[in-house]
Amino acid sequence: ETGVTQTPRHLVMGMTNKKSLKCEQHLGHNAMYWYKQSAKKPLELMFVYNFKEQTENNSVPSRFSPECPNSSHLFLHLHTLQPEDSALYLCASSQDEGQPSYEQYFGPGTRLTVT
Amino acid sequence: GQNIDQPTEMTATEGAIVQINCTYQTSGFNGLFWYQQHAGEAPTFLSYNVLDGLEEKGRFSSFLSRSKGYSYLLLKELQMKDSASYLCAARDSNYQLIWGAGTKLIIKP
Repeated sequence: ETGVTQTPRHLVMGMTNKKSLKCEQHLGHNAMYWYKQSAKKPLELMFVYNFKEQTENNSVPSRFSPECPNSSHLFLHLHTLQPEDSALYLCASSQDEGQPSYEQYFGPGTRLTVT
Repeated sequence: GQNIDQPTEMTATEGAIVQINCTYQTSGFNGLFWYQQHAGEAPTFLSYNVLDGLEEKGRFSSFLSRSKGYSYLLLKELQMKDSASYLCAARDSNYQLIWGAGTKLIIKP
């Protein structure tokens, strides 16, 4: 257990559906991240929140919409996804963004399949 | 552009030693991380190097050469549970993490 939980662990959705991924961290961290992990590719950073403020949006399509209501919770709202969005979506947290040595703690991920 | 290179897959024998290499090209440098990821699980932090040299943590050691843009992860006395993917990530001058695609390590009895 890393102190970061994600639900659901698996999700199958059609291209017209709307769903949300949830992440919760129990570590008292101030920064939270969404990553996309595709087979044999590097982790792709999608969004970063530091002290509840979005500090990074790496040219992510608008069909992905993040929400960070407080420092412990992070959501990724999904709508009208494409089959190429099928991947493992990882949430992570760290103490904050300000120190280069701060490691990130990852959740187990949500395996998303878009049909 | 910024880039991390590491081998896609390696195979080693239980009880042996294996070295996983990582080369990086980043705009500035603020340290290098190694993570372990078992299949279907979260990546977990192994090490962070910001100065040149070798850092040892039990059976795992990590080495950094900033002048060469090079790091390696050394695993000794390999155990079957070490079968996993090992991710290398370098932090650039903007504190962004640049990730490699990971090295899948297969341990054989």
